[in-house]
Amino acid sequence: SQTIHQWPATLVQPVGSPLSLECTVEGTSNPNLYWYRQAAGRGLQLLFYSVGIGQISSEVPQNLSASRPQDRQFILSSKKLLLSDSGFYLCAWDRVRDTEAFFGQGTRLTVV
Amino acid sequence: ILNVEQSPQSLHVQEGDSTNFTCSFPSSNFYALHWYRWETAKSPEALFVMTLNGDEKKKGRISATLNTKEGYSYLYIKGSQPEDSATYLCAAPNTGNQFYFGTGTSLTVIP
Repeated sequence: SQTIHQWPATLVQPVGSPLSLECTVEGTSNPNLYWYRQAAGRGLQLLFYSVGIGQISSEVPQNLSASRPQDRQFILSSKKLLLSDSGFYLCAWDRVRDTEAFFGQGTRLTVV
Repeated sequence: ILNVEQSPQSLHVQEGDSTNFTCSFPSSNFYALHWYRWETAKSPEALFVMTLNGDEKKKGRISATLNTKEGYSYLYIKGSQPEDSATYLCAAPNTGNQFYFGTGTSLTVIP
């Protein structure tokens, strides 16, 4: 069966520090991978998606970047965090548009 | 970017009441509409994936309908129970493979 792992679960980082959130998928190959963010009081915002190794598309210009070094690994990064980067980050995967997406457990990021 | 909207933003109902909420999406280039349930401290989980106009899907006390021509979907919960308390999200893909979520409807069922 397929599983998705996301870590860490919570993170408190000072402004200006770097960030690295990791997501890995098991039990499937060539998944579509996504990073979403839920800011306080708002819905899920699509940040990045990837349809293959090294293929990253960004939805919103921001202080973040994403990489997919391996087929089932998706990394969200920042060189210097801003206060506005605080939020709940979710990684997800799916195969095609008419099948459900599966989500990781999420990372609660607080930038102080 | 796809504009997916949900209403109401939040809802409080008494245990045993039935309720429904709405998801609206662009009707042009429709491909699919997803409903997810997101409980506190858990990951969102899929309820329904709907692709055909007029589709109606049911899972226990929860059902959903789809109107692709006018661009809306309804989610119904019959006889709400406290364990139904969650945020219900809908999402639609664009012509690529990117899914866009609504802001969700937060349901609280009062015992």
